[in-house]
Amino acid sequence: DSGVTQTPKHLITATGQRVTLRCSPRSGDLSVYWYQQSLDQGLQFLIQYYNGEERAKGNILERFSAQQFPDLHSELNLSSLELGDSALYFCASSVLAGGVNEQFFGPGTRLTVL
Amino acid sequence: AQSVAQPEDQVNVAEGNPLTVKCTYSVSGNPYLFWYVQYPNRGLQFLLKYITGDNLVKGSYGFEAEFNKSQTSFHLKKPSALVSDSALYFCAVRFLLPGTYKYIFGTGTRLKVLA
Repeated sequence: DSGVTQTPKHLITATGQRVTLRCSPRSGDLSVYWYQQSLDQGLQFLIQYYNGEERAKGNILERFSAQQFPDLHSELNLSSLELGDSALYFCASSVLAGGVNEQFFGPGTRLTVL
Repeated sequence: AQSVAQPEDQVNVAEGNPLTVKCTYSVSGNPYLFWYVQYPNRGLQFLLKYITGDNLVKGSYGFEAEFNKSQTSFHLKKPSALVSDSALYFCAVRFLLPGTYKYIFGTGTRLKVLA
């Protein structure tokens, strides 16, 4: 158990809908990262927050947004969902912001868009 | 363009034999390199990283990796494979961009250790 929790475990929704994925980092970790893992695109880094501020941005679509709250949990919002958004979404956390530390991954949220 | 390549989709090795999982990268500057492992239905687990210093890095579960700057490679190795090492392995690179940084993961290599 990495200490990172993600809810929900599974999510099934329809095209055009909006969903919110939640992540709680390990105790003491200030950085949260979001990743998308799909069969055709592999593991893609989406975005990173450190202590409430956005620190690094990857291949995140404009339909997606994230935020980190004062209690350090983070939410990834996916809107206007398309079939191609079906994937496993991972959250990870680390102590620092610079990307030099190991990241601890949560178990993931499996999103299915029908 | 910045990239990370894991040229083998799958590697098969007999238990007790040495294993190598290959990773090459193409990024500007001095990248930080990582290996992660993913077991079925689980998130990724950190194995090891190279930031600077000794080119041979030792990590978890007896794994090690060798950084080769001239060949831009960071191959993962283990002297004696276990059946329990069977999993999906990802190489990752962290590199700098103006004012920020980015991660790229390889496509993953499935390691199968045969008893």
